[in-house]
Amino acid sequence: QLQLQESGPGLMKPSETLSLTCSVSGGSIGDYYWSWIRQPPGKGLEWIGYIYYSGTTNYNPSLRRRITISLDTPKNQFSLTLNSVTAADTAVYYCARGPVSIVPATTGWFDAWGQGTLVTVSA
Amino acid sequence: SYELTQPTSVSVSPGQTATITCSGDRLGDKYVSWYQQKPGQSPVLVISQDSKRPSGIPERFSGSNSGNTATLTISGTQAMDEADYYCQAWEFSTALFGGGTKLTVL
Repeated sequence: QLQLQESGPGLMKPSETLSLTCSVSGGSIGDYYWSWIRQPPGKGLEWIGYIYYSGTTNYNPSLRRRITISLDTPKNQFSLTLNSVTAADTAVYYCARGPVSIVPATTGWFDAWGQGTLVTVSA
Repeated sequence: SYELTQPTSVSVSPGQTATITCSGDRLGDKYVSWYQQKPGQSPVLVISQDSKRPSGIPERFSGSNSGNTATLTISGTQAMDEADYYCQAWEFSTALFGGGTKLTVL
């Protein structure tokens, strides 16, 4: 059974760079898209971006200037880097498989999620 | 910018049918997915491609999408269905989520 597990710092200071890693087990990272999605406390979901196993990326325009998503295929992991964090970046960050679809990718859904990791940005 | 609008809350009695809507301009031209999120848990996909149930999702969950509105229907609602529900679609190359609907079973 596919499992995803996020790891990263729980507490950060404003202006620092957030780095999160998602470890995928029970399946290969190959041949799928992989996304990061976040949820501020008490609020809704926001898609951050995805990476395809080939390395192709697509980012949310609202975050594009500050984020990088990368892949480590031998380790079956993918990562998120978010620069210059502020309190507005405080959220639970989820990694997820998807978008899953026939084609094109931008009609698809997210069919497996990690448990999420809370990142708090505070001075 | 494109938005998906959901009611903030919906209430239903056990055994009755719950209907949660998601509205957007010409939403029927897009594929809509639905996710269930219980407190302290990760979202779970309950409907993809407007109306397809993933393996393991009970038959009481169904979906439809036409015009400007997608609908998630839960027939014979059970107490365990109490959760937040989010619709999701794509606008150009950006995944969008609705604001979420809190389903209360009382």
